[in-house]
Amino acid sequence: DIQMTQSPSSLSASIGDRVTITCRASQGISNYLVWYQQKPGKVPKLLIYAASTLQSGVPSRFSGSGSGTDFTLTISSLQPEDVATYYCQMYNSALITFGQGTRLEIK
Amino acid sequence: EVQLVESGGGLVQPGGSLRLSCAASGFTFSTYAMNWVRQAPGKGLEWLSYINGGSSVIYYADSVRGRFTISRDNAKNSLYLQMNSLRDEDTAVYYCARDCGDSYANDYWGQGTLVTVSS
Repeated sequence: DIQMTQSPSSLSASIGDRVTITCRASQGISNYLVWYQQKPGKVPKLLIYAASTLQSGVPSRFSGSGSGTDFTLTISSLQPEDVATYYCQMYNSALITFGQGTRLEIK
Repeated sequence: EVQLVESGGGLVQPGGSLRLSCAASGFTFSTYAMNWVRQAPGKGLEWLSYINGGSSVIYYADSVRGRFTISRDNAKNSLYLQMNSLRDEDTAVYYCARDCGDSYANDYWGQGTLVTVSS
């Protein structure tokens, strides 16, 4: 089975910082890569689909990039409301897999 | 307004069965694929199963294949998850989620229903 590695597992950054989270697939998955944000006690929220398409209503400071095996979620200028756990999700050969999650905190 | 409301969770003994339901409203249910996703306490998200609008395409995670069965009734705007042979490690909040139709992304999620497997 294809493996998904999300890193880092946790991250502390300052307000206004540029933050990057990565997901790497063990095999190519084209652009079947999705990013979610989950705030404490809340349900996941769709941020990015098809690797780089911003979901309607999501602030433009969020962006996604990558194709094949390496993907990145970038927050261009960290805001207090961005404190959350971020998950990538991939699809390949009838299986959907979530990354392990990245817990983002404010320094 | 899109709404997904799960029900059917509760306490069940190991080896037992439970049927979860997800009532959908605010969109044309039959035209959307749906997913079940769970989250164990303090843990990450785990995808369980996918079903397309016409029930002709169904996928399962290895962890539940052969024990869980996904189904839907488009006339009732409802999604189901039949869970058999439950184990302690199946304890989690179970979410139904709507597939947005691109890259298997889920754009709407229910609030979840808690399943606790314990003797």
